[in-house]
Amino acid sequence: QAVLTQPSSLSASPGASVSLTCTLHSGINVATYRIYWYQQKPGSPPQYLLRYMSDSDNLQGSGVPGRFSGSKDASANVGILLISGLQPEDEADYYCMIWYNSASVFGGGTKLTVL
Amino acid sequence: EVQLVESGGGLVRPGGSLRLSCVASGFSISTYSMNWVRQAPGKGLQWVSRISSDSSGIYYADSVKGRFTISRDNARNSLYLQINSLRDEDTAVYYCARERGFDTWGQGTLVTVSS
Repeated sequence: QAVLTQPSSLSASPGASVSLTCTLHSGINVATYRIYWYQQKPGSPPQYLLRYMSDSDNLQGSGVPGRFSGSKDASANVGILLISGLQPEDEADYYCMIWYNSASVFGGGTKLTVL
Repeated sequence: EVQLVESGGGLVRPGGSLRLSCVASGFSISTYSMNWVRQAPGKGLQWVSRISSDSSGIYYADSVKGRFTISRDNARNSLYLQINSLRDEDTAVYYCARERGFDTWGQGTLVTVSS
């Protein structure tokens, strides 16, 4: 089982809200990890979106719209990136990341299609 | 403007070596930890290495340990990655990224390992 698992693809309509999930390995408690999220568009480097630990410990990237937000579902051991009011330019790959045992670990990424 | 610019990539034969550089502008790297992250063609992100602000802490992904060496020159505002004993699977775009949160990324430099 991978440390972080993301669905490979997701699609949604403009204006909708979508939750991208990042499932942590069963031996890792999501409550104790900061979850980082990145957006990558074709031909461009990744861009930092936000980090989420809790509602009182989170950090939005500079210039990142407020319709991108983070959360956790402790019952499912999942980190969540919520994108509300989807726009065509949100079509991209999204990666989650944690620091685990002094190493950074990325999820496999979710390709979000806005159609 | 905060910016990272990588250089030093290229085509190299298996077993060869390269030295990648990352020059920062718009901020001083001396107060930040720095990282290398790579992305194989069509694949996801993989963290490679991290170095603390004063070089006292250095970490590597298991897949590159013993072959890659990260270093920095704060006076030159630069980060480096010496990559030796290159393998086909090291073919990737190599990005430098700032801090544990990877809040700033360069455009990347392509390393192609092929005979």
